[in-house]
Amino acid sequence: DAKTTQPTSMDCAEGRAANLPCNHSTISGNEYVYWYRQIHSQGPQYIIHGLKNNETNEMASLIITEDRKSSTLILPHATLRDTAVYYCIVRVDLYSGGGADGLTFGKGTHLIIQP
Amino acid sequence: DAGITQSPRHKVTETGTPVTLRCHQTENHRYMYWYRQDPGHGLRLIHYSYGVKDTDKGEVSDGYSVSRSKTEDFLLTLESATSSQTSVYFCAISGEPQNRGYTFGSGTRLTVV
Repeated sequence: DAKTTQPTSMDCAEGRAANLPCNHSTISGNEYVYWYRQIHSQGPQYIIHGLKNNETNEMASLIITEDRKSSTLILPHATLRDTAVYYCIVRVDLYSGGGADGLTFGKGTHLIIQP
Repeated sequence: DAGITQSPRHKVTETGTPVTLRCHQTENHRYMYWYRQDPGHGLRLIHYSYGVKDTDKGEVSDGYSVSRSKTEDFLLTLESATSSQTSVYFCAISGEPQNRGYTFGSGTRLTVV
């Protein structure tokens, strides 16, 4: 799976949009971009994923650049409960020959929402 | 998280004793995983299962064994616990298609003294 690069930490004011960048310059055509977050002491939580189109769900939006070498996770109205470590993970599509061997987590971005 | 439970939530055990952690799911998902999380190392895959009695090793499998005799249960066993196995252990499940993402349990905090 391709490697990802994320900033170590970021701050965002409560109520503002939090934009978390991720670089994945070696991504392959059959690799998806996933975002997870981990709130202190809890298990990681799935947020969103995408292949090449932008995606939106009730939690966040995912913007993937046209060349797919980077992406941005957007939390539109951050709250204090969004303080967490956010992981960007690139993963081969199972149906394109990807294995069932789990996700590889990096160190992620520690997002701190300031009151 | 709904559909996946880990037990026990906390455990203290002595060096050299066997320990079994249990992951139970009610989602009928095919894939199950065990991770450990330590400061400075993040989440690392120990073992995973892609079906009943089908398991394979992950990145940090030494000292651990697993079993999956039915779809809903995935057991992680430390045959002889060591202090280096003090960690927080997370179980995860994934259905088909896997692209939908993984659901993680709440974790088991294991301390080996």
